[in-house]
Amino acid sequence: DIQMTQSPSSLSASVGDTVTITCRASQGISNYLAWFQQKPGTAPTSLIYATSSLQSGVPSKFSGSGSGTDFTLTISSLQPEDFATYYCQQYNSYPWTFGQGTKVEIK
Amino acid sequence: QVQLVESGGGVVQPGRSLRLSCAASGFTFNSQGMHWVRQAPGKGLEWVTGIWYDGSKEYYVDSVKGRFTISRDNSKNTLYLQMNSLRAEDTAVYYCAKGEEGLDSWGQGTLVTVSS
Repeated sequence: DIQMTQSPSSLSASVGDTVTITCRASQGISNYLAWFQQKPGTAPTSLIYATSSLQSGVPSKFSGSGSGTDFTLTISSLQPEDFATYYCQQYNSYPWTFGQGTKVEIK
Repeated sequence: QVQLVESGGGVVQPGRSLRLSCAASGFTFNSQGMHWVRQAPGKGLEWVTGIWYDGSKEYYVDSVKGRFTISRDNSKNTLYLQMNSLRAEDTAVYYCAKGEEGLDSWGQGTLVTVSS
């Protein structure tokens, strides 16, 4: 199975900051990488698929990059509604696997 | 718009069975792969199982192989998860999700609690 490792596990940031979350795959996954946002008590929502393609309706403040084994999610100009937990997920091969999550908290 | 509505969760004793359903609307159900993802209390997301658009292929995480079965009824726009021999570690919110390129839409989830 492909292991997905996110870093950091949590981070504190201020409104207006830009933050970057890293996701590393244990083997190459081409560009089959997605990012999700989850707020407490709610279902995850899809932000990005195919490493860098934004889902419909997702603001351009979210951006993704990478290929192979190393990927990043960047969130610019953090707003209060962006404070949440973010997960990466590979869909290159079954079983699909998620990273452990990165909690973005208000400083 | 896309709607995925799960049902069938509840409290069940270890070793017993439960069947979850996911009613889909707002998209062409018979052209989309479908999946179940779970989240144990306070934990991260775990992909559990997926099925091709036509039901011809299924995939499972090792921890549920031989106990869980995913299926779909394209005439009813409904996805199912039959869960047998349930264990305490299966306790989680179960989400259905659709997508070929990752999981682009999710239901609100249904809670399954395995406890005596």
